Amino acid sequence: ETGVTQSPTHLIKTRGQQVTLRCSSQSGHNTVSWYQQALGQGPQFIFQYYREEENGRGNFPPRFSGLQFPNYSSELNVNALELDDSALYLCASSLKRGLGDTQYFGPGTRLTVL
Amino acid sequence: GDSVTQMEGPVTLSEEAFLTINCTYTATGYPSLFWYVQYPGEGLQLLLKATKADDKGSNKGFEATYRKETTSFHLEKGSVQVSDSAVYFCALSEQSGGGADGLTFGKGTHLIIQP
Repeated sequence: ETGVTQSPTHLIKTRGQQVTLRCSSQSGHNTVSWYQQALGQGPQFIFQYYREEENGRGNFPPRFSGLQFPNYSSELNVNALELDDSALYLCASSLKRGLGDTQYFGPGTRLTVL
Repeated sequence: GDSVTQMEGPVTLSEEAFLTINCTYTATGYPSLFWYVQYPGEGLQLLLKATKADDKGSNKGFEATYRKETTSFHLEKGSVQVSDSAVYFCALSEQSGGGADGLTFGKGTHLIIQP
């Protein structure tokens, strides 16, 4: 069984640029969630996709957007990058059956904005 | 809104010592509770979970009991090993109106076990 994978591992961008991060969910999982983890902090929920539609969103501006594809893989897009966007971006997949479903995390993409 | 508070680190213990990491939460409903562990350079791994009051989650010698009356989910282990050195995150999940069950995390507790 293949776990959650993310690409790229590391990325360096400059302020104002746009970035796309990718995630392949665990086999059989239909739900993908994205999180931002700043250095020394806990992850913060960005949004969740279920069967290709956004299913809920945390406290992040619209310049954070996403997609989920028919194979349940997902992209996170961030426009107009700011210095504070520098963080580890984590993707998690789950099989949505109800509250308390376990989310399985990928290794993350480290984004640095200069 | 929902929130999770856990003890600040780093927590430094000797091998074979007893471990407690405190976690308390605030939620509007009846959340599910989780402990995740993050080893250096890696993503988060689920350590244990509990989905209703008085449930005890356990894994790899770690335990935590869902205490609704004290809104707590403290992590314990009877005898820690050097390999337990990592950052531990307490988290909760409560479905929003749209059905999303994004996790709300604490800030993490860095655990250091010395031989």
